[in-house]
Amino acid sequence: GAVVSQHPSWVICKSGTSVKIECRSLDFQATTMFWYRQFPKQSLMLMATSNEGSKATYEQGVEKDKFLINHASLTLSTLTVTSAHPEDSSFYICSARDPGQRDSLSSYNEQFFGPGTRLTVL
Amino acid sequence: QKEVEQDPGPLSVPEGAIVSLNCTYSNSAFQYFMWYRQYSRKGPELLMYTYSSGNKEDGRFTAQVDKSSKYISLFIRDSQPSDSATYLCAMSVPPTGNQFYFGTGTSLTVIP
Repeated sequence: GAVVSQHPSWVICKSGTSVKIECRSLDFQATTMFWYRQFPKQSLMLMATSNEGSKATYEQGVEKDKFLINHASLTLSTLTVTSAHPEDSSFYICSARDPGQRDSLSSYNEQFFGPGTRLTVL
Repeated sequence: QKEVEQDPGPLSVPEGAIVSLNCTYSNSAFQYFMWYRQYSRKGPELLMYTYSSGNKEDGRFTAQVDKSSKYISLFIRDSQPSDSATYLCAMSVPPTGNQFYFGTGTSLTVIP
């Protein structure tokens, strides 16, 4: 199956610093990647959709200047949390689609999730 | 009203029990219905997906979709301690199904 990795798996930083999280598709090319945030005991909330070679599409309420997304290649997307504050502490998860794995009958195209990055801002 | 509602539990069952997990939804345009398993501090992994209505079985897992009631279920037979995890339902709209709408997840513990 398709594998998606994230780096780092956890990070602790001081308030006001910026943190970069990488999401890589290891064995397929992902034209679309997604970034989610998950707070404890809550569901995954989509933050933005990242398309290779174009600007990311942000969900309502997500500050695009705070959460910078770059999808520079078909296997790498990065999320940079700028000027992080304690309220940004969360579990950040990326996912990626393999366009070559679309179901022929239903056109369903699976999203493969990374293992997540736990961000703690002190 | 949330797009997808899921009872967060926690749910605790003895080993070997049949587990029933459920989600309701409000958007009748949903056609893709997924169940994910998420272990603590890990990303979700897909268990099963169903297109439109009906049942789908994979080993000890059975997914059911009732679009008339806007209700989906996941059944786990002969539950094992290794099934202890959080189970998330997710749904999306064709044709691209880009945005997945997740439930809050149900925490399941299977007691040996």
